[in-house]
Amino acid sequence: GNSVTQMEGPVTLSEEAFLTINCTYTATGYPSLFWYVQYPGEGLQLLLKATKADDKGSNKGFEATYRKETTSFHLEKGSVQVSDSAVYFCALSEVETGANNLFFGTGTRLTVIP
Amino acid sequence: DAGVIQSPRHEVTEMGQEVTLRCKPISGHNSLFWYRQTMMRGLELLIYFNNNVPIDDSGMPEDRFSAKMPNASFSTLKIQPSEPRDSAVYFCAVGRNEQFFGPGTRLTVL
Repeated sequence: GNSVTQMEGPVTLSEEAFLTINCTYTATGYPSLFWYVQYPGEGLQLLLKATKADDKGSNKGFEATYRKETTSFHLEKGSVQVSDSAVYFCALSEVETGANNLFFGTGTRLTVIP
Repeated sequence: DAGVIQSPRHEVTEMGQEVTLRCKPISGHNSLFWYRQTMMRGLELLIYFNNNVPIDDSGMPEDRFSAKMPNASFSTLKIQPSEPRDSAVYFCAVGRNEQFFGPGTRLTVL
């Protein structure tokens, strides 16, 4: 089956620190991989995505590389800001006939302190 | 979440009452999803529709929950009767490979 396992939180970092949030997946086929971010009081929004092996998704200084050999899609940012404080969700999607839902990880709460 | 409208944004009700949550999705998307988010269980998929037809409702917790999508621009999630354990944030989302989420409805059942 399909599933996503991501790093337990919460994660607390100082401003300008390096961020890594680990994500590994299990899939029966060839999934697309996503990172979603949820800011306080809001719905989830797409942060970045990668649709095939070795693709790198990037947005707002965040990056993640689709690693098929390790079934991973770790999220990284070189220098976090206070405004990055949010909950981050790793997700996968396998578009099969009649099924195109996302499988989400449990989320990792990040707090960045000044 | 631009374009996906959910109402109400907050709902407080008493146990046993009927609750109806509404979603007005962005046009042009054939798939619509209802999720529930709680601290204990995280984000759970309740049901999703393709072209207004329910495809998978295996996530609906029990018969007290029902969802409809009478047309491409409107969907409802109903809980009857509501219970305190239904308290959560309910999200509507649309899209296929990439999903666009609404702002959510925070439901509190006393």
